[in-house]
Formats: sequence, C-alpha cells, structure tokens
Amino acid sequence: NAGVTQTPKFRVLKTGQSMTLLCAQDMNHEYMYWYRQDPGMGLRLIHYSVGEGTTAKGEVPDGYNVSRLKKQNFLLGLESAAPSQTSVYFCASSYLRAIQETQYFGPGTRLLVL
Amino acid sequence: ILNVEQSPQSLHVQEGDSTNFTCSFPSSNFYALHWYRWETAKSPEALFVMTLNGDEKKKGRISATLNTKEGYSYLYIKGSQPEDSATYLCAFNRLNSGYALNFGKGTSLLVTP
Repeated sequence: NAGVTQTPKFRVLKTGQSMTLLCAQDMNHEYMYWYRQDPGMGLRLIHYSVGEGTTAKGEVPDGYNVSRLKKQNFLLGLESAAPSQTSVYFCASSYLRAIQETQYFGPGTRLLVL
Repeated sequence: ILNVEQSPQSLHVQEGDSTNFTCSFPSSNFYALHWYRWETAKSPEALFVMTLNGDEKKKGRISATLNTKEGYSYLYIKGSQPEDSATYLCAFNRLNSGYALNFGKGTSLLVTP
C-alpha cells in the first residue's frame, strides 16, 4: 500500500495564479483532511471531508476550496494564490470507526507564492 | 488554556540521556490526546492515542502519560538515541468538534552522539 500520497511535491506560483493539490489514499479511509504548516505554528486544519461528496471548513478555510468526488481522492484548490498561502500543505486520512482514530499523513507539498 | 501548548519548544540532549516534554490542553470537553513523531522531510507518524485519565502507553523506549483532569500529557524517551531526533507533536480531539485535531507547535528534539 502506498498510504497517503500528495502531488505535486513542490510548486512555485505567481500571485493570482490558480492550482490544485491532489491527495490520494489507498486505505479506504472515510475521513480526509488538509492542513497547512507554517513556521512557528502548529498544523492548522484548512478543510476536511467525512466521506465522498461531502466537505467541511476547518480552522483556516479562506482562499481555498476542496472537492471529494471519489472516496480515495481529496483535492485542495487555490483559485487566486496569494503570498500568504506560501506554506507546506499536508493531507491526512483516517477511519470512521472512532473519533480518536489515528490520522495518517502524506509527505507534504511545498508551495511558494511569489 | 484554549489551545494545545507544548514545552519546551526545543531540546538538545546527549545520546543516552533520558528526556521528557509536556503537552498542555484544555481539560474541558476532552476526548482524546494524540502524540506524533515528525522527522525532517518526512510525514508525521502516530506514536500514541490516549483517551482515559491515567492512561500510560509505551512503545520501545518511548512512553506517554495522560492527566485529563488537569489537562496535560508527558512524553518520555529513555536513553535517547540520535535516531530519536525529530519534532514531537501533540494534538487533541475535543468533544463535539468531530474528527478535527488541534495540534500544538511541537517540541524539537536533537540528540547528539
């Protein structure tokens, strides 16, 4: 099993450009999450999904959109990138069995917005 | 405490030293406490999930305790090795907040030979 994978690994954008980050998991997990990691801050939840076709806002959702068209994929979109969105983005997934289920993380996507 | 706080922010120990660090979290509406180990350039990996007051978990030389009444958890590493060098993240689930985890900023541990 590949676990949780993310593409791309690294990307440079100009302000105003758009892009989509892809997260894929092969563990048949119901829950998927997008976090951002910034220097001096903990992982912050952007959006999450409790199942195919459903999404919900996390702590810092502004400027991002997400879609969960297939159970194994969770897409994070930036419609008009801003320098404040320069960050490392992590995707995670977990089972639905219990709230305290472990989240499994992808390797991260480094995004630089100029 | 409104969010998760971890201390110290960083720690540098010699190989063979034992060490511990703290995670403080809101004790109200507590549901579960997670510890993750995060090596540079890798993904965070789960170490422990604890739910009950007084819980103790152990994995090799690493162990953790939980006090939900006062809102803290300790992570202990016995006989630190250079391969233990990583950032240790603490996160908690709060009742009625779904599956979302609230993460601390982590404790960065460096173990030198």
